[in-house]
Amino acid sequence: GENVEQHPSTLSVQEGDSAVIKCTYSDSASNYFPWYKQELGKGPQLIIDIRSNVGEKKDQRIAVTLNKTAKHFSLHITETQPEDSAVYFCAASNPGNQFYFGTGTSLTVIP
Amino acid sequence: GAVVSQHPSRVICKSGTSVKIECRSLDFQATTMFWYRQFPKQSLMLMATSNEGSKATYEQGVEKDKFLINHASLTLSTLTVTSAHPEDSSFYICSASGGNTGELFFGEGSRLTVL
Repeated sequence: GENVEQHPSTLSVQEGDSAVIKCTYSDSASNYFPWYKQELGKGPQLIIDIRSNVGEKKDQRIAVTLNKTAKHFSLHITETQPEDSAVYFCAASNPGNQFYFGTGTSLTVIP
Repeated sequence: GAVVSQHPSRVICKSGTSVKIECRSLDFQATTMFWYRQFPKQSLMLMATSNEGSKATYEQGVEKDKFLINHASLTLSTLTVTSAHPEDSSFYICSASGGNTGELFFGEGSRLTVL
């Protein structure tokens, strides 16, 4: 089955700096890679995603890159703000609609 | 984006009672719904996968008679925690997949406290 690893588990950055979270996956059949932001006491919220036919996708301050050969994908947040502080989860999904999640990264943006 | 509504957001019950949590996809038909349990500062633990009109598939270690899942329509799945005990206290989250793109959307979560 699929195995998704996520690093780092915790990340602290100064406001305005960039944050990068990395994930690797094992199943070459995985073709959809979403990222979720979870605030305390709430459900995860989809913030950006990428499919296997694309190498990079950007939405304002958030970008995701995918390297299919190396089987890794990353979330990039630029110009971080305190409201970006949350737990972020990556996931990999296959054509069978099974989703596998990383273990989460707790991001703290220091004002 | 698509909306998944989960209700109730918080519930407190006495030990031995049963609690039902509802998960609704509001603007798309969810062919598959997932139920998760999340402990503090931990990742999502998949409990079961439910497909509309069929029995749920439970993950290893999850008691199907304890956690009853019903997915009677393309927009509604329910999780019933039967004869709840304090160790069942947790944050339960549903998610729904479907629509045109197969994306996965989560509900707001339900905090269950069993006294």
